[in-house]
Amino acid sequence: AQSVTQLGSHVSVSEGALVLLRCNYSSSVPPYLFWYVQYPNQGLQLLLKYTSAATLVKGINGFEAEFKKSETSFHLTKPSAHMSDAAEYFCAVSAQNAGNMLTFGGGTRLMVKP
Amino acid sequence: ETGVTQTPRHLVMGMTNKKSLKCEQHLGHNAMYWYKQSAKKPLELMFVYNFKEQTENNSVPSRFSPECPNSSHLFLHLHTLQPEDSALYLCASSQDWRGRGTEAFFGQGTRLTVV
Repeated sequence: AQSVTQLGSHVSVSEGALVLLRCNYSSSVPPYLFWYVQYPNQGLQLLLKYTSAATLVKGINGFEAEFKKSETSFHLTKPSAHMSDAAEYFCAVSAQNAGNMLTFGGGTRLMVKP
Repeated sequence: ETGVTQTPRHLVMGMTNKKSLKCEQHLGHNAMYWYKQSAKKPLELMFVYNFKEQTENNSVPSRFSPECPNSSHLFLHLHTLQPEDSALYLCASSQDWRGRGTEAFFGQGTRLTVV
């Protein structure tokens, strides 16, 4: 079984500041890990995914995440926030033998202040 | 038209009504999924279909009835719903449910309100 905890349901940063969204997972088998973004009234769009290759994963829109097995974490970062990054972000986990059956965290709403 | 398309985008129904949600994917994928996104709960996987066969039913009440006539279409038939079933219902598709190939692509969702 898998589970995901996203620390902080709301995160606010200033434009140009570092974005850090936290995700911790629990999995009884080797996991796949994902970050999705959801803009208002939209579906989910994949930002990046970890599938047991490189532990530092680069995604779209300047986002990246690092898989840390010892910490069971997969935090999402972006060096400089842009107004267009304001959205809800979801971390998800799956088992490697069922890679697209996702268990999601509760989501983090990112607000970017001018 | 490309991607995953869901219709309708919004639906209001009474507790005694019967309605259906439709999902269509134009990506040539073989697996399709229904997820429920409620205001106060994380996104929940409801059903998984692979090559038209249901491979997962995540303890969903029988008032939700999925149908997958082919790999491109997925329906969610609704009857005698409760107000707590009000949510955003998201459809997704992927090349393979095991994760080989592409990741899951999501539709824009159907916002369901049960009155």
